[in-house]
Amino acid sequence: ETGVTQSPTHLIKTRGQQVTLRCSSQSGHNTVSWYQQALGQGPQFIFQYYREEENGRGNFPPRFSGLQFPNYSSELNVNALELDDSALYLCASSFGTSGPYTTDTQYFGPGTRLTVL
Amino acid sequence: AQSVTQLDSQVPVFEEAPVELRCNYSSSVSVYLFWYVQYPNQGLQLLLKYLSGSTLVKGINGFEAEFNKSQTSFHLRKPSVHISDTAEYFCAADTGGFKTIFGAGTRLFVKA
Repeated sequence: ETGVTQSPTHLIKTRGQQVTLRCSSQSGHNTVSWYQQALGQGPQFIFQYYREEENGRGNFPPRFSGLQFPNYSSELNVNALELDDSALYLCASSFGTSGPYTTDTQYFGPGTRLTVL
Repeated sequence: AQSVTQLDSQVPVFEEAPVELRCNYSSSVSVYLFWYVQYPNQGLQLLLKYLSGSTLVKGINGFEAEFNKSQTSFHLRKPSVHISDTAEYFCAADTGGFKTIFGAGTRLFVKA
């Protein structure tokens, strides 16, 4: 158990819809990163939030957006869903002692399995 | 540009045998390297990480990895595996920023 939870566990949507995935970080963690893991592949970095501001983004379009709240929970929003968005979405929280650096240990949640039909 | 290559997609091995999971990275700058394990229907768990210092890194569950700068490798080893080690293993790298690059994963299958 990492203390990081995600909801829902599974989700089915149709193409064109919008979806919101939620993550609850470990208590006190000020950094959260989101990853997309397609079947049979490694996780791909989507973006990271540090103290409620987006700190960096991977190669994902603007229809992928996020929020981080003062209680260190966070959301990943995806608009205009496409079939290729079907994947396991992972969040990872960490405590940045001097900034949002990934050398700080990241604690992953179990993920949300999104299926787009 | 950074990249991480895991050289084996699947590694079958008998219980109590040694195992090595291979990882090569490509980077023009210094990197930090990680190994994660993912059990079915679970998120990733950090096994070990190399930031600096000794090139032999010991992690949890009896795993260790050796950083080899000249060969740009970071292979994961365990001298004696258990059935419970059956899982997906991911090698990852970053240059100290916010973005972690993962390999495609190696499925370790331990047979009785």
